Amino acid sequence: GQSLEQPSEVTAVEGAIVQINCTYQTSGFYGLSWYQQHDGGAPTFLSYNALDGLEETGRFSSFLSRSDSYGYLLLQELQMKDSASYFCAVISGAGSYQLTFGKGTKLSVIP
Amino acid sequence: DAMVIQNPRYQVTQFGKPVTLSCSQTLNHNVMYWYQQKSSQAPKLLFHYYDKDFNNEADTPDNFQSRRPNTSFCFLDIRSPGLGDAAMYLCATSEGGGQYFGPGTRLTVT
Repeated sequence: GQSLEQPSEVTAVEGAIVQINCTYQTSGFYGLSWYQQHDGGAPTFLSYNALDGLEETGRFSSFLSRSDSYGYLLLQELQMKDSASYFCAVISGAGSYQLTFGKGTKLSVIP
Repeated sequence: DAMVIQNPRYQVTQFGKPVTLSCSQTLNHNVMYWYQQKSSQAPKLLFHYYDKDFNNEADTPDNFQSRRPNTSFCFLDIRSPGLGDAAMYLCATSEGGGQYFGPGTRLTVT
């Protein structure tokens, strides 16, 4: 089976940088992705890492270390609108399309 | 714009009364998914289709069924909704490593 661990809540100041960590245990691993979800909304795809290293998309970056079964999402220049839940999710097995979500990290951005 | 559309956005049904939720996509993706998400929880995968190949998660209750008549449309049927089935139901498609979600249907069971 799959299990993912991420912090349940994080608070950060507007304009700052925040890192949300995710560790996973899976029976098969194809990649790690990140989703943002505002209250009452649907998840929105942010990033995907299949290989080790850092992927950067604007203010958001995502990192993966397959050997450590670890990844993180880095949010820079935080804005109030970044207040949301952030989920890491594992795609298990090449050719498999199953996505297993972590329990989510609720990010609160304060002035 | 290419997108994933879910109808209705809000659905109220009575305990035990069958209900069908609909999803359509204009992305032309082969893979479609149905998730159930309860308040303050992660989305839970119910089913996924690769084209017409149906994959049922082991812990998806028999009360839930799905149909995919063509690439663009997918339906979730709840045969006898219980109070515990009240949730947000999310449809998604995928390409590469990312999944693209519709806005969801919030189901209330009275």
